Amino acid sequence: QVLLQESGPGLVKPSETLSLICTVSGYSISSGYFWGWIRQPPGRGLEWIGSSHHTGDTYYNPSLKSRVTISIDTSKNQFSLRLNSVTAADTAVYYCARITSRSRHEYWGQGTLVTVSS
Amino acid sequence: QSVLTQPPSASGTPGQRVTISCSGSSSNIGSNTVNWFQQVPGVAPKLLMYSNDQRPSGVPDRFSASKSGTSASLAISGLQSEDEADYYCATWDDSLNGYVVFGGGTKLTVL
Repeated sequence: QVLLQESGPGLVKPSETLSLICTVSGYSISSGYFWGWIRQPPGRGLEWIGSSHHTGDTYYNPSLKSRVTISIDTSKNQFSLRLNSVTAADTAVYYCARITSRSRHEYWGQGTLVTVSS
Repeated sequence: QSVLTQPPSASGTPGQRVTISCSGSSSNIGSNTVNWFQQVPGVAPKLLMYSNDQRPSGVPDRFSASKSGTSASLAISGLQSEDEADYYCATWDDSLNGYVVFGGGTKLTVL
């Protein structure tokens, strides 16, 4: 059973960096697949942030690419999200997911709300 | 604005059949497979359909999906109250370096 769990600060100040970690259990990240992040602003739809493979192959949403870094730590079976220079528009529930094939997000974390506010 | 276009809302009565459309372009739906997600408010999305028309284990066969050209659709037959949720389509877009695009979501109300 593949389980994902997001963790990180629930409150980030404007202009600072949002950092989240997704801990995976029940599957070794180094065995394959892409691992990604998706967010959902309050009351709105899903927005794909990006994904990464343990080999280093990484894809980002073009609208966020200049501010986003997704990295993988196979020793801890975790992957992380860093989003720079945040504004109130980055307030959202952030989900991590295992991506089986391109856009087939098969397993999801429960999500974590991050609020950007001073 | 979402890259994939879905109607913002849909509705039906118990037992009815409803369909939700998802419109894209040649760089996304036209050249890649489509997946559908179901999201109950306050809960993480759940993979509902994948590879255009495949159901993951545990998804009732009341749910079906198809793709034609640059459009896709999700159908729910024998509508039940527990089907009330938000539904999203998603696919890969080949433009730029490639990335995943979601539809704006359709809120399904069971009357």
